[in-house]
Amino acid sequence: DTGVSQNPRHKITKRGQNVTFRCDPISEHNRLYWYRQTLGQGPEFLTYFQNEAQLEKSRLLSDRFSAERPKGSFSTLEIQRTEQGDSAMYLCASNTGFSTDTQYFGPGTRLTVL
Amino acid sequence: AQSVTQPDIHITVSEGASLELRCNYSYGATPYLFWYVQSPGQGLQLLLKYFSGDTLVQGIKGFEAEFKRSQSSFNLRKPSVHWSDAAEYFCAVGHTGTASKLTFGTGTRLQVTL
Repeated sequence: DTGVSQNPRHKITKRGQNVTFRCDPISEHNRLYWYRQTLGQGPEFLTYFQNEAQLEKSRLLSDRFSAERPKGSFSTLEIQRTEQGDSAMYLCASNTGFSTDTQYFGPGTRLTVL
Repeated sequence: AQSVTQPDIHITVSEGASLELRCNYSYGATPYLFWYVQSPGQGLQLLLKYFSGDTLVQGIKGFEAEFKRSQSSFNLRKPSVHWSDAAEYFCAVGHTGTASKLTFGTGTRLQVTL
């Protein structure tokens, strides 16, 4: 069991640049979630996928954010024209899709926008 | 709207002392409740969860939590804290619809003194 992996672990970028993060869920997990965690706060839901379909997006996910899960396996989260307010930890989680199933979290990608 | 309140931002206990972390939730239906722990540089790890049945649930690392519907609470307890328990603890409510996304509290940082 390799767990949920995320790359890169850290990303420093300048304001206005585009960044892309990758999440590899636990194999055979149908559901994949993205959360954002800012300093001193709990994680906040951004979006989730059932296989390759993106089924819900939070209002936190502005037009500059896009997420994909093209083959129902790994997922990418892209932020265009980054702003300093985007600085946060981006967490990915996966599970089998049953509502009672545990979500397993990756270590996160810490984004710093200068 | 669903919400989770963790009233204690920071708690300090001596090693060997008992611990109780408070969590109150607001949710329209029977909630699914979780406690996660986050250590520096680590992802969120599930300690325990409650869906139904016995209101006292046992988790890993000697933790337990009690669901009290009348108080809308799901407090986490441990009879004897170890120095390695120092971390950030998050209570979360799971949405029982198709999304099963999690709403987290703001967390309680636990410091353990020797």
